[in-house]
Amino acid sequence: GAVVSQHPSRVICKSGTSVKIECRSLDFQATTMFWYRQFPKQSLMLMATSNEGSKATYEQGVEKDKFLINHASLTLSTLTVTSAHPEDSSFYICSANGVRTDTQYFGPGTRLTVL
Amino acid sequence: KQEVTQIPAALSVPEGENLVLNCSFTDSAIYNLQWFRQDPGKGLTSLLLIQSSQREQTSGRLNASLDKSSGRSTLYIAASQPGDSATYLCAVKGDYKLSFGAGTTVTVRA
Repeated sequence: GAVVSQHPSRVICKSGTSVKIECRSLDFQATTMFWYRQFPKQSLMLMATSNEGSKATYEQGVEKDKFLINHASLTLSTLTVTSAHPEDSSFYICSANGVRTDTQYFGPGTRLTVL
Repeated sequence: KQEVTQIPAALSVPEGENLVLNCSFTDSAIYNLQWFRQDPGKGLTSLLLIQSSQREQTSGRLNASLDKSSGRSTLYIAASQPGDSATYLCAVKGDYKLSFGAGTTVTVRA
């Protein structure tokens, strides 16, 4: 089946630094990738949708200058959390749609802790 | 705005019992509904996807039904096993995005 990987799986950083999270589709080309965040015992909330070669579309309330998304190829999207603060600590999950499929394939997630 | 609700929030059953998980959504204009499994600290695994034109989908011990007009879906897990312990999420697809419920956390006691 389709596999999506994320790197790193876990990251701890100091407040004010930037962190980059990678999302890769390993065995298929992903025209669209999605970034979610999940707080403990809560639902996944969509942050942004990225299409290869174009700017990401951010959901209402998500700061695009803080959460930078780049989708430079059909297999890689990156999320950079800039000037991270403790309230940015969360579980970040990406997903990808293959070509001509309704199914979203999810990555294993990245646990970000900002001290 | 689509609202997805899952009841109950948590469920504990003895091994062998059948599980019934409920999902409701407010906007019936959906393309599909998907059930996922999430283990602690992990990503999501897709279990079943039901297109809006379908009434149910089955995979092994899992069966999911969809009543789009009433905004409801039910996931049935037959003969539960300790390995079924996880959080189960339902998500509905609107025009471009998935809207998730908060999940039902299931514990199957051996």
